[in-house]
Amino acid sequence: DQQVKQNSPSLSVQEGRISILNCDYTNSMFDYFLWYKKYPAEGPTFLISISSIKDKNEDGRFTVFLNKSAKHLSLHIVPSQPGDSAVYFCAASLIQGAQKLVFGQGTRLTINP
Amino acid sequence: DTAVSQTPKYLVTQMGNDKSIKCEQNLGHDTMYWYKQDSKKFLKIMFSYNNKELIINETVPNRFSPKSPDKAHLNLHINSLELGDSAVYFCASSQWGGRSGTGELFFGEGSRLTVL
Repeated sequence: DQQVKQNSPSLSVQEGRISILNCDYTNSMFDYFLWYKKYPAEGPTFLISISSIKDKNEDGRFTVFLNKSAKHLSLHIVPSQPGDSAVYFCAASLIQGAQKLVFGQGTRLTINP
Repeated sequence: DTAVSQTPKYLVTQMGNDKSIKCEQNLGHDTMYWYKQDSKKFLKIMFSYNNKELIINETVPNRFSPKSPDKAHLNLHINSLELGDSAVYFCASSQWGGRSGTGELFFGEGSRLTVL
């Protein structure tokens, strides 16, 4: 049973527009959520995170929103740039001391010029 | 200078063979991980070591045996390889505990294992 789901395998957005990537989770024990970005033939790299005590965290062009009641989070990228084309993974952390991350299956974002 | 490096990056082998993937990190972290990305693209944790001690051991066949000679290295040995072991294996590291920057794993580039 997959506890973190990204239901959109791919997303295509025009350069300069907003990209919105979505993620749903089922385990209410998750207390920390993260987004990772992955280019082909590279490992995932950390992008942005949010604690369960917050509902929004912003870092430059990237904003993550958390809706705990809906068990939903989203990543907004604005404005979208061609270099943002990558696979984005949502991840959630259980309260266990170690960074045991549960990942979604990723969404491939393509930014069109 | 690569922070988390894995070798080999590509590995093609026959069923039944034994193979190893090596991982080294130069970030000074004390916790290392192995994740597996399967054909459905999910990244799933397999093992985690903190200061050479096994702290996370998910439901993984005992044909998989991690070894951590020191906190900068975490190797993965796989015995009697099966077709279903074909996947990309990612090594990662982080600093243990705390919530400042927590969850920020630094990943290697991955090792693509193909079992024929």
